Amino acid sequence: DAGVIQSPRHEVTEMGQEVTLRCKPISGHDYLFWYRQTMMRGLELLIYFNNNVPIDDSGMPEDRFSAKMPNASFSTLKIQPSEPRDSAVYFCASSGLDRGGYGYTFGSGTRLTVV
Amino acid sequence: SQQGEEDPQALSIQEGENATMNCSYKTSINNLQWYRQNSGRGLVHLILIRSNEREKHSGRLRVTLDTSKKSSSLLITASRAADTASYFCATALMDSSYKLIFGSGTRLLVRP
Repeated sequence: DAGVIQSPRHEVTEMGQEVTLRCKPISGHDYLFWYRQTMMRGLELLIYFNNNVPIDDSGMPEDRFSAKMPNASFSTLKIQPSEPRDSAVYFCASSGLDRGGYGYTFGSGTRLTVV
Repeated sequence: SQQGEEDPQALSIQEGENATMNCSYKTSINNLQWYRQNSGRGLVHLILIRSNEREKHSGRLRVTLDTSKKSSSLLITASRAADTASYFCATALMDSSYKLIFGSGTRLLVRP
Protein backbone atom coordinates (compact mmCIF):
# COMPACT_ATOMS: atom_id res chain seq x y z
CA ASP A 1 0.00 0.00 0.00
CA ALA A 2 1.32 3.45 -0.92
CA GLY A 3 -0.07 4.98 2.25
CA VAL A 4 -2.01 8.23 2.45
CA ILE A 5 -1.14 10.38 -0.54
CA GLN A 6 -1.36 14.14 -0.42
CA SER A 7 -0.82 16.66 -3.17
CA PRO A 8 0.76 19.03 -3.73
CA ARG A 9 3.69 18.73 -1.31
CA HIS A 10 4.30 22.44 -1.42
CA GLU A 11 2.03 25.30 -2.45
CA VAL A 12 2.89 28.97 -2.61
CA THR A 13 0.05 31.29 -3.47
CA GLU A 14 -0.86 34.93 -3.26
CA MET A 15 -3.34 36.26 -0.77
CA GLY A 16 -6.86 36.11 -2.13
CA GLN A 17 -6.28 33.12 -4.36
CA GLU A 18 -8.13 29.84 -4.07
CA VAL A 19 -6.14 26.86 -2.82
CA THR A 20 -7.15 23.22 -3.12
CA LEU A 21 -5.39 20.47 -1.22
CA ARG A 22 -5.95 16.85 -2.15
CA CYS A 23 -5.84 13.56 -0.29
CA LYS A 24 -6.13 9.89 -1.18
CA PRO A 25 -6.68 7.74 1.92
CA ILE A 26 -5.65 4.12 2.37
CA SER A 27 -8.01 1.77 0.62
CA GLY A 28 -10.49 0.27 3.07
CA HIS A 29 -10.11 2.99 5.69
CA ASP A 30 -13.47 4.54 6.42
CA TYR A 31 -12.31 7.53 8.46
CA LEU A 32 -10.52 10.52 6.99
CA PHE A 33 -9.16 13.49 8.93
CA TRP A 34 -7.74 16.88 8.01
CA TYR A 35 -5.29 18.50 10.44
CA ARG A 36 -3.35 21.74 10.35
CA GLN A 37 0.02 22.16 12.04
CA THR A 38 1.62 25.47 13.00
CA MET A 39 4.31 26.39 15.49
CA MET A 40 1.91 28.55 17.45
CA ARG A 41 -1.12 26.26 17.62
CA GLY A 42 0.34 22.80 17.13
CA LEU A 43 -1.81 20.13 15.47
CA GLU A 44 -5.43 21.15 15.07
CA LEU A 45 -8.19 18.87 13.84
CA LEU A 46 -10.14 20.71 11.16
CA ILE A 47 -12.72 18.16 10.03
CA TYR A 48 -13.25 14.42 9.78
CA PHE A 49 -15.35 12.12 7.64
CA ASN A 50 -16.81 8.67 8.17
CA ASN A 51 -17.86 6.74 5.07
CA ASN A 52 -17.53 9.97 3.03
CA VAL A 53 -19.89 11.89 5.33
CA PRO A 54 -18.59 14.88 7.33
CA ILE A 55 -19.01 14.09 11.03
CA ASP A 56 -17.39 17.00 12.83
CA ASP A 57 -16.29 20.25 11.21
CA SER A 58 -16.11 22.27 14.42
CA GLY A 59 -12.39 22.82 13.87
CA MET A 60 -12.79 24.54 10.52
CA PRO A 61 -11.58 28.08 11.24
CA GLU A 62 -14.07 30.00 9.16
CA ASP A 63 -16.28 29.95 6.12
CA ARG A 64 -13.30 30.37 3.86
CA PHE A 65 -12.48 26.72 4.52
CA SER A 66 -14.46 23.86 3.02
CA ALA A 67 -13.85 20.13 2.67
CA LYS A 68 -15.43 17.46 0.55
CA MET A 69 -15.18 13.72 0.16
CA PRO A 70 -17.00 12.77 -3.05
CA ASN A 71 -15.96 9.12 -2.78
CA ALA A 72 -14.02 6.74 -0.56
CA SER A 73 -10.72 7.36 -2.31
CA PHE A 74 -10.55 11.14 -2.54
CA SER A 75 -10.95 14.24 -0.41
CA THR A 76 -10.24 17.92 -0.89
CA LEU A 77 -9.70 20.84 1.44
CA LYS A 78 -10.32 24.21 -0.16
CA ILE A 79 -9.45 27.66 1.09
CA GLN A 80 -11.08 30.58 -0.68
CA PRO A 81 -9.88 33.27 -0.46
CA SER A 82 -6.56 32.41 1.14
CA GLU A 83 -4.88 34.67 3.70
CA PRO A 84 -1.29 34.79 5.04
CA ARG A 85 -2.46 33.40 8.40
CA ASP A 86 -3.52 30.21 6.61
CA SER A 87 0.16 29.39 6.06
CA ALA A 88 0.75 26.01 7.72
CA VAL A 89 1.34 22.35 7.02
CA TYR A 90 -1.92 20.56 6.28
CA PHE A 91 -2.08 16.85 6.97
CA CYS A 92 -4.57 14.27 5.87
CA ALA A 93 -4.88 11.03 7.83
CA SER A 94 -7.03 7.92 7.53
CA SER A 95 -8.01 5.15 9.90
CA GLY A 96 -9.87 1.84 9.83
CA LEU A 97 -12.81 0.72 11.92
CA ASP A 98 -13.01 -1.06 15.29
CA ARG A 99 -14.13 0.93 18.27
CA GLY A 100 -11.03 -0.15 20.12
CA GLY A 101 -9.28 2.41 18.01
CA TYR A 102 -6.59 2.03 15.44
CA GLY A 103 -3.81 4.48 14.91
CA TYR A 104 -4.04 6.98 12.15
CA THR A 105 -1.91 6.81 9.06
CA PHE A 106 -0.77 10.28 8.08
CA GLY A 107 0.19 11.62 4.70
CA SER A 108 3.39 13.60 4.20
CA GLY A 109 1.50 16.87 4.34
CA THR A 110 1.12 19.94 2.15
CA ARG A 111 3.17 22.95 3.17
CA LEU A 112 1.09 25.99 2.28
CA THR A 113 2.59 29.45 2.10
CA VAL A 114 0.30 32.40 1.42
CA VAL A 115 2.16 35.59 0.55
CA SER B 1 -7.96 23.74 23.16
CA GLN B 2 -5.37 21.03 23.51
CA GLN B 3 -6.30 17.95 25.50
CA GLY B 4 -2.80 16.66 26.01
CA GLU B 5 0.28 18.46 27.21
CA GLU B 6 3.73 16.94 27.00
CA ASP B 7 6.63 17.33 29.35
CA PRO B 8 9.41 18.18 28.79
CA GLN B 9 9.06 20.36 25.70
CA ALA B 10 12.59 19.42 24.68
CA LEU B 11 14.98 16.66 25.73
CA SER B 12 18.61 16.09 24.80
CA ILE B 13 20.33 12.83 25.68
CA GLN B 14 23.35 10.77 24.70
CA GLU B 15 22.98 7.75 22.45
CA GLY B 16 22.38 4.64 24.52
CA GLU B 17 20.56 6.46 27.31
CA ASN B 18 16.86 6.10 28.00
CA ALA B 19 14.40 8.86 27.13
CA THR B 20 11.20 9.45 29.09
CA MET B 21 8.41 11.73 27.94
CA ASN B 22 5.24 12.48 29.85
CA CYS B 23 1.76 13.43 28.75
CA SER B 24 -1.11 14.79 30.81
CA TYR B 25 -4.69 15.15 29.67
CA LYS B 26 -7.89 16.64 31.00
CA THR B 27 -10.94 14.51 30.25
CA SER B 28 -11.79 10.81 30.23
CA ILE B 29 -10.40 8.91 27.29
CA ASN B 30 -11.10 5.79 25.26
CA ASN B 31 -7.45 5.33 24.36
CA LEU B 32 -4.17 7.22 24.18
CA GLN B 33 -1.69 7.03 21.33
CA TRP B 34 1.90 8.10 20.76
CA TYR B 35 3.23 9.37 17.44
CA ARG B 36 6.65 10.32 16.13
CA GLN B 37 7.31 13.11 13.65
CA ASN B 38 10.63 13.53 11.92
CA SER B 39 11.46 17.02 10.74
CA GLY B 40 9.44 17.95 7.67
CA ARG B 41 7.53 14.68 7.61
CA GLY B 42 4.13 13.33 8.59
CA LEU B 43 3.36 11.66 11.89
CA VAL B 44 3.98 7.97 12.39
CA HIS B 45 1.88 5.91 14.78
CA LEU B 46 4.00 4.21 17.45
CA ILE B 47 1.69 2.62 19.99
CA LEU B 48 -1.87 2.69 21.30
CA ILE B 49 -2.90 1.99 24.90
CA ARG B 50 -6.53 1.56 25.88
CA SER B 51 -8.08 3.10 28.97
CA ASN B 52 -8.32 -0.31 30.68
CA GLU B 53 -4.63 -1.04 30.13
CA ARG B 54 -1.80 0.12 32.38
CA GLU B 55 1.31 -0.74 30.43
CA LYS B 56 2.24 -1.72 26.92
CA HIS B 57 5.49 -2.62 25.19
CA SER B 58 6.62 -2.48 21.58
CA GLY B 59 10.27 -3.16 20.88
CA ARG B 60 12.28 -0.47 22.70
CA LEU B 61 9.11 1.45 23.57
CA ARG B 62 7.26 1.20 26.85
CA VAL B 63 4.08 3.14 27.49
CA THR B 64 2.26 3.49 30.78
CA LEU B 65 -1.15 4.92 31.47
CA ASP B 66 -2.52 6.14 34.78
CA THR B 67 -6.15 7.11 34.31
CA SER B 68 -6.51 8.25 37.92
CA LYS B 69 -3.83 10.87 37.34
CA LYS B 70 -4.80 11.40 33.70
CA SER B 71 -1.24 10.88 32.60
CA SER B 72 0.89 8.69 30.37
CA SER B 73 4.58 8.21 29.81
CA LEU B 74 6.62 7.00 26.87
CA LEU B 75 9.98 5.41 27.57
CA ILE B 76 12.46 4.78 24.76
CA THR B 77 15.24 2.50 25.93
CA ALA B 78 18.77 2.39 24.54
CA SER B 79 18.14 5.44 22.37
CA ARG B 80 19.73 5.85 18.94
CA ALA B 81 20.51 8.92 16.87
CA ALA B 82 17.69 7.83 14.54
CA ASP B 83 15.21 8.35 17.41
CA THR B 84 15.75 12.10 17.08
CA ALA B 85 12.27 13.46 16.34
CA SER B 86 9.26 15.10 17.93
CA TYR B 87 6.96 12.83 19.90
CA PHE B 88 3.27 13.55 20.39
CA CYS B 89 0.65 11.99 22.58
CA ALA B 90 -2.90 11.96 21.28
CA THR B 91 -6.09 11.18 23.14
CA ALA B 92 -9.27 9.63 21.81
CA LEU B 93 -12.12 10.95 23.93
CA MET B 94 -14.82 8.72 25.42
CA ASP B 95 -17.51 10.36 23.35
CA SER B 96 -15.77 9.87 20.01
CA SER B 97 -12.97 7.35 19.86
CA TYR B 98 -12.00 8.28 16.33
CA LYS B 99 -11.33 11.95 17.00
CA LEU B 100 -7.74 12.35 18.21
CA ILE B 101 -6.61 15.45 20.06
CA PHE B 102 -2.85 15.95 19.94
CA GLY B 103 -0.60 17.42 22.57
CA SER B 104 2.11 19.97 21.99
CA GLY B 105 4.90 17.44 21.59
CA THR B 106 8.37 16.76 22.98
CA ARG B 107 11.40 17.42 20.80
CA LEU B 108 13.95 14.69 21.41
CA LEU B 109 17.58 15.05 20.36
CA VAL B 110 19.78 11.98 20.66
CA ARG B 111 23.46 12.94 20.40
CA PRO B 112 25.76 10.34 18.79
